[in-house]
Amino acid sequence: DSGVTQTPKHLITATGQRVTLRCSPRSGDLSVYWYQQSLDQGLQFLIQYYNGEERAKGNILERFSAQQFPDLHSELNLSSLELGDSALYFCASSVGGRLAADTQYFGPGTRLTVL
Amino acid sequence: GENVEQHPSTLSVQEGDSAVIKCTYSDSASNYFPWYKQELGKGPQLIIDIRSNVGEKKDQRIAVTLNKTAKHFSLHITETQPEDSAVYFCAASKGGSYIPTFGRGTSLIVHP
Repeated sequence: DSGVTQTPKHLITATGQRVTLRCSPRSGDLSVYWYQQSLDQGLQFLIQYYNGEERAKGNILERFSAQQFPDLHSELNLSSLELGDSALYFCASSVGGRLAADTQYFGPGTRLTVL
Repeated sequence: GENVEQHPSTLSVQEGDSAVIKCTYSDSASNYFPWYKQELGKGPQLIIDIRSNVGEKKDQRIAVTLNKTAKHFSLHITETQPEDSAVYFCAASKGGSYIPTFGRGTSLIVHP
């Protein structure tokens, strides 16, 4: 158990809908990262938050957004869903804020299926 | 940006054999190299990591070696067991940028 929690575990929805994925980082970690994993794309970095502020952006679509709250949990919002958005979505956390590269710890993921 | 290549994409071994997975990276400033194991239906789990100030690190049956000059690093698993069957990912990152670049993964299958 990495200490990172994600809910829900599974999500099935229809095209055009909007969903929210939730992540709670490990105790003491200030950085949260979101990744999308699909068979053909591997692990794709979406976005990072550090202590409530957006720190880095990767291959995140404009239909997707995220935020990190004062209690450090994070939510990833996916809207106008398309079939191609079906994937595993992982949250990871790290201490953050240090000059040295951080170790990231991954949550169990949310499997999103868009029908 | 950083580019990480991982080989092989699939590795099949007999129980008790050794397994080696290799990764190369392009950014000479990268200085942190974690390895993750992902079992079916689960999130990636860190199994070992190495920083650029050391050339080798071991943890029981798992070892990682780093060649900074050649910009490649490898994961070695000895005495493989069926429970080692999973997808293994390498990654590279550097201080100041906390975003690792991941390899495409290696599916390791250990036959009993």
